[in-house]
Amino acid sequence: EPEVTQTPSHQVTQMGQEVILRCVPISNHLYFYWYRQILGQKVEFLVSFYNNEISEKSEIFDDQFSVERPDGSNFTLKIRSTKLEDSAMYFCASTRRVREKLFFGSGTQLSVL
Amino acid sequence: AQKITQTQPGMFVQEKEAVTLDCTYDTSDPSYGLFWYKQPSSGEMIFLIYQGSYDQQNATEGRYSLNFQKARKSANLVISASQLGDSAMYFCAMRVNAGGTSYGKLTFGQGTILTVHP
Repeated sequence: EPEVTQTPSHQVTQMGQEVILRCVPISNHLYFYWYRQILGQKVEFLVSFYNNEISEKSEIFDDQFSVERPDGSNFTLKIRSTKLEDSAMYFCASTRRVREKLFFGSGTQLSVL
Repeated sequence: AQKITQTQPGMFVQEKEAVTLDCTYDTSDPSYGLFWYKQPSSGEMIFLIYQGSYDQQNATEGRYSLNFQKARKSANLVISASQLGDSAMYFCAMRVNAGGTSYGKLTFGQGTILTVHP
């Protein structure tokens, strides 16, 4: 079965630094998402992306966050100036149609020190 | 606003027994979908089963079935013949279709940790 690929699997950064989390969604998918999961807590929606623009975002997705699809395959999440509370597992997901299941990547564990 | 509630922080089951994981939801949208995902200790999110609000029959996928009770707004996951490899966190999630304007956002419950004993 096709997969959503995320890199790196682990990222350690210093508070205040910028990080870019990378994702390669499944090739024929049109809708892309970022979710995060703070350790031991539920999975939270951050942002959805369709037709080269943000279609929906949560309150968590403030000005420190941005997403980009720079070419036909990659989908990135940038955190401009990381905070301690940004430490979490970040999941990328994609789907071909809105009413179909979401395919999740295996996540990037971000640790902010 | 939509809400998903999983009231069982942890569940235990003997190998080969069946187990039910509870999920209740709240939405005013008549068109929605309910999902169950499994998250093993390795962290990835694995899709298990889907139920649409207009589906007439309960969804089944192998050993997984969804006990969908629309009037009670519940969508419980039933795992039959539990295996040791079923030990994981299980999340219930909902997507509302919002009259066709939804971009597919999922709202997740808090999760239930299932432990299968030999």
